[in-house]
Amino acid sequence: EDQVTQSPEALRLQEGESSSLNCSYTVSGLRGLFWYRQDPGKGPEFLFTLYSAGEEKEKERLKATLTKKESFLHITAPKPEDSATYLCASRGGSARQLTFGSGTQLTVLP
Amino acid sequence: EPEVTQTPSHQVTQMGQEVILRCVPISNHLYFYWYRQILGQKVEFLVSFYNNEISEKSEIFDDQFSVERPDGSNFTLKIRSTKLEDSAMYFCASSARPSSYEQYFGPGTRLTVT
Repeated sequence: EDQVTQSPEALRLQEGESSSLNCSYTVSGLRGLFWYRQDPGKGPEFLFTLYSAGEEKEKERLKATLTKKESFLHITAPKPEDSATYLCASRGGSARQLTFGSGTQLTVLP
Repeated sequence: EPEVTQTPSHQVTQMGQEVILRCVPISNHLYFYWYRQILGQKVEFLVSFYNNEISEKSEIFDDQFSVERPDGSNFTLKIRSTKLEDSAMYFCASSARPSSYEQYFGPGTRLTVT
């Protein structure tokens, strides 16, 4: 059974204070590791897909990286508008369903 | 930018009643999904749908649930006899084709069963 574990559960940063969020996964035949952003009461918003170890993707202040067991979402010089819950999800084998982690609730203080 | 839409945004129903949640996926997408998120919990997969049939379903998706694509644009989730534990946010998602694994989510329908 696929498992995705995210840490920390919550993270408070000062504006401009860079940090990383962790996603550990156990997936048979990884077909994609996904990062989403979720604002309160809203649907997950797609950020990145990573397919193989060593792959990196960037978007504005966010960079996602992937190893064989973990993915990291690096946030450089965050702003208050980056405050949200960041979800990690995996897709493995022949399945199309995504398996989600519990998320990291990020708060960026001005 | 194309997006997935869902209606209603909030549905309140009494236990035992039937509800239908509606979704309009992104227009050129072929794969459709329903997920749910109970307050404070993980997003959980319910069902995937392709070529007018269910391709995968989870243990949550029992006989009280059904999905349908009644026309070329809508995708619905029906819960026949709602229970208190069905209260959750229900998200519809769609993806373009087999080689495109990204799933794009709608804003959700908050279902409250009283």
